[in-house]
Amino acid sequence: DAKTTQPPSMDCAEGRAANLPCNHSTISGNEYVYWYRQIHSQGPQYIIHGLKNNETNEMASLIITEDRKSSTLILPHATLRDTAVYYCIVRVYNQGGKLIFGQGTELSVKP
Amino acid sequence: ETGVTQTPRHLVMGMTNKKSLKCEQHLGHNAMYWYKQSAKKPLELMFVYNFKEQTENNSVPSRFSPECPNSSHLFLHLHTLQPEDSALYLCASSQDLLAGGMEQFFGPGTRLTVL
Repeated sequence: DAKTTQPPSMDCAEGRAANLPCNHSTISGNEYVYWYRQIHSQGPQYIIHGLKNNETNEMASLIITEDRKSSTLILPHATLRDTAVYYCIVRVYNQGGKLIFGQGTELSVKP
Repeated sequence: ETGVTQTPRHLVMGMTNKKSLKCEQHLGHNAMYWYKQSAKKPLELMFVYNFKEQTENNSVPSRFSPECPNSSHLFLHLHTLQPEDSALYLCASSQDLLAGGMEQFFGPGTRLTVL
């Protein structure tokens, strides 16, 4: 699986967009980018995933660069409840099961 | 609510005790997982079950013994644990291990303290 690199922490003002970057320069053609988040002392929560096209759902948007070496998770209007650790995971789609979590980015949304 | 429940939510046990953690999923999934999360560390996968069969044991010590009697229930039996086993134990489920395996639904976890 490709290695991912994320900043250890970020701050965001409430109501503003939170843009969380992830580098995955060794990603291969059949690997997807997945994002999960973990609010303090709770189980992780799936957010979104994508291969090469930008994706959007009710929680967030995922922007993947054309060369697929990096991506950005966007929370369009961050709230205090979005304070969490955000994990970027790269994995081949049809070899599911083994999610490997790194240290992630600790996002603090401030009033 | 994710459709995955875990009991108990908190557990304190001595090193000589035997206890069990329970996980139940109401999503009709076929794969279930145990993860361990120690303080300030990333989640570590412990065990994977698919259609009640164990498919992965991530070099977990034998003092942790999983059991999967059916696709909806998963247990983690604990025996003669060490203080360093204190952690948040998370259960997850997914549709299966193939295409659906990456979208895992996690329970709230059991906070275990070993004295």
